[in-house]
Amino acid sequence: EVQLVESGGGLVQPGGSLRLSCASSGFSFSNYWMSWVRQAPGKGLEWVANINQGGTEKYYVDSVKGRFTISRDNAKNSLILQMDSLRVEDTAVYYCAKDNHYSDSSAYYYYFEYWGQGTLVTVSS
Amino acid sequence: EIVMTQSPATLSVSPGERAILSCRASQSANSNLAWYQQNPGQAPRLLIYGASTRATGIPARFSGSGSGTEFTLTIDSLQSEDLAVYYCQQYHKWPRTFGQGTKVEIK
Repeated sequence: EVQLVESGGGLVQPGGSLRLSCASSGFSFSNYWMSWVRQAPGKGLEWVANINQGGTEKYYVDSVKGRFTISRDNAKNSLILQMDSLRVEDTAVYYCAKDNHYSDSSAYYYYFEYWGQGTLVTVSS
Repeated sequence: EIVMTQSPATLSVSPGERAILSCRASQSANSNLAWYQQNPGQAPRLLIYGASTRATGIPARFSGSGSGTEFTLTIDSLQSEDLAVYYCQQYHKWPRTFGQGTKVEIK
């Protein structure tokens, strides 16, 4: 059974930092792209960042570029999101997600196959 | 980016009836569309990918259709546990984007 367990959320002041972790089990972690997706209180879902199997390719939504860093430790089956220069609008539940994909002749297509239960990040003074 | 628009915002359906949810993309997403279910207080769960392929363990009463810019999620014989918000999401182009969700209420 695939399990994803996030941790590290909490209350932080604007401009502060927080480090989220996601512990995975039940699948071969090093073989899959992984993502972070967030959900502001009472709002919809927003993809935040993702990372390839080896950690050499990383992509971010524009609103977090230069402030958030995604990384992974394949030896520990864990995904990390380092969040710096936090803003009030970063307040959200942050979900870790396992990507899966298929391909055609031109590209690969990645969807969110499994989700963790999320960790709440509150940015407030 | 591709903007996803879902309708209606809220759908009230009696148990045993059919629910039809719509999702429109601002440009073609081919068949690279997923549907997710989010029960109250829980994480999202993958229902459908590739516009029409049910994910592992998803009951047959959930079905997806469409391609290009128009997509539909159908829930046959609605059950009480289907009370949730349903999101469509395109993954044809980066960034991957979600619709704003349709809330399904049990009448």
